[in-house]
Amino acid sequence: AQSVSQHNHHVILSEAASLELGCNYSYGGTVNLFWYVQYPGQHLQLLLKYFSGDPLVKGIKGFEAEFIKSKFSFNLRKPSVQWSDTAEYFCAVFSGGYQKVTFGTGTKLQVIP
Amino acid sequence: DAMVIQNPRYQVTQFGKPVTLSCSQTLNHNVMYWYQQKSSQAPKLLFHYYDKDFNNEADTPDNFQSRRPNTSFCFLDIRSPGLGDAAMYLCATSRGSSNEQFFGPGTRLTVL
Repeated sequence: AQSVSQHNHHVILSEAASLELGCNYSYGGTVNLFWYVQYPGQHLQLLLKYFSGDPLVKGIKGFEAEFIKSKFSFNLRKPSVQWSDTAEYFCAVFSGGYQKVTFGTGTKLQVIP
Repeated sequence: DAMVIQNPRYQVTQFGKPVTLSCSQTLNHNVMYWYQQKSSQAPKLLFHYYDKDFNNEADTPDNFQSRRPNTSFCFLDIRSPGLGDAAMYLCATSRGSSNEQFFGPGTRLTVL
């Protein structure tokens, strides 16, 4: 079965610190990759996505993610976090073989002013 | 604005009393999903509709049913809620199953 792992469950950073959240998946075939974000009291929304092409994708609010096929990874990065980035971040993978999306367990990010 | 709407936002029911959660969308997406999300866990897909085709996940209990009377609406019926069914229920839509999903705000279900 397809699985998605997010290694960091809770991350606490000071403002202006750099962020990297890990995401690894198990499926070896064709995948579409997503990062979703859930701000406090709000619904899940798309942060960025990768379907094909340049493995470094840029999303909203200065976030980016890099797809490394050989490592089955799609890590999320931001050079300098802000207090408003406090949220829960979910990695999700669509696999062509399973024809479904699987979500990771999420990482709660707390940014301290 | 095009969106995914879920009603109610909060639902309290009694153990064993049937409950229906609703979802509507103005995006005209052909795929609609229902997820169950418990605290500190990943959203768990219960089932989805691809157009009119119903796709049930193998581990979704029979207690959970769904209806999609038209493109815009989808319902989640829990026939006999147990304490373990208390969770946030998320509805989402997408254009095709491989594309990004648009989520509603969720319905938090409490079972007394």
